[in-house]
Amino acid sequence: EIVLTQSPATLSVSPGEGATLSCRASQSVSSNLAWYHQKPGQAPRLLIYGASTRATGIPARFSGSGSGTEFTLTISSLQSEDFAVYYCQQYNNWPMYTFGQGTKLEIK
Amino acid sequence: EVQLVESGGDLVQPGRSLRLSCAASGFTFDDYVMHWVRQAPGKGLEWVSSIDWNSISIGYADSVKGRFTVSRDNAKNSLYLQMNSLRTDDTALYYCVKDLGGGAFDIWGLGTLLTVSS
Repeated sequence: EIVLTQSPATLSVSPGEGATLSCRASQSVSSNLAWYHQKPGQAPRLLIYGASTRATGIPARFSGSGSGTEFTLTISSLQSEDFAVYYCQQYNNWPMYTFGQGTKLEIK
Repeated sequence: EVQLVESGGDLVQPGRSLRLSCAASGFTFDDYVMHWVRQAPGKGLEWVSSIDWNSISIGYADSVKGRFTVSRDNAKNSLYLQMNSLRTDDTALYYCVKDLGGGAFDIWGLGTLLTVSS
């Protein structure tokens, strides 16, 4: 099983500032990695797939990078609606998918 | 509008069975792989199961293998999850999820809540 480790567990940032979230895979997942965010009481929403492609309707302040085992989600100029829990997910091994444990992005 | 609506969640005793359903609309259901993902209260996301368009290729998380069975009825645009030998740690909100095409999960339902407790 591929294990995804996200860091940090919690990130406190002021609105308008940028944030960088990390996801490390226990073995290579190539570029088969996605990012989601989840607000309280809501279903997760796809942000990034293929490690760096923004999903439909996702603003340009969200960007993803990385390949292999190291991945980063960068959010520039945080808006109030961006404060949520962020998950990475690998889909390199059909049909065995895994999620990271999540990073909570909170308002400083 | 693309929509997934789960149903069937309930309060059940350990060891019992339950079937979840997911009704899909707004897209060509049999073109896509479908998934079940769950989230225990206050916890993170856990992939549960996936099924390809013609039900040939199916996968399960180790935590549910041998107890859960995923199926689909393309004529009814529906996805199912038969859950047997339920345990307290199966308690979670179960999401029905559409595959983007390639493995990312692009459309999520609102979820249906399963509580396993005596």
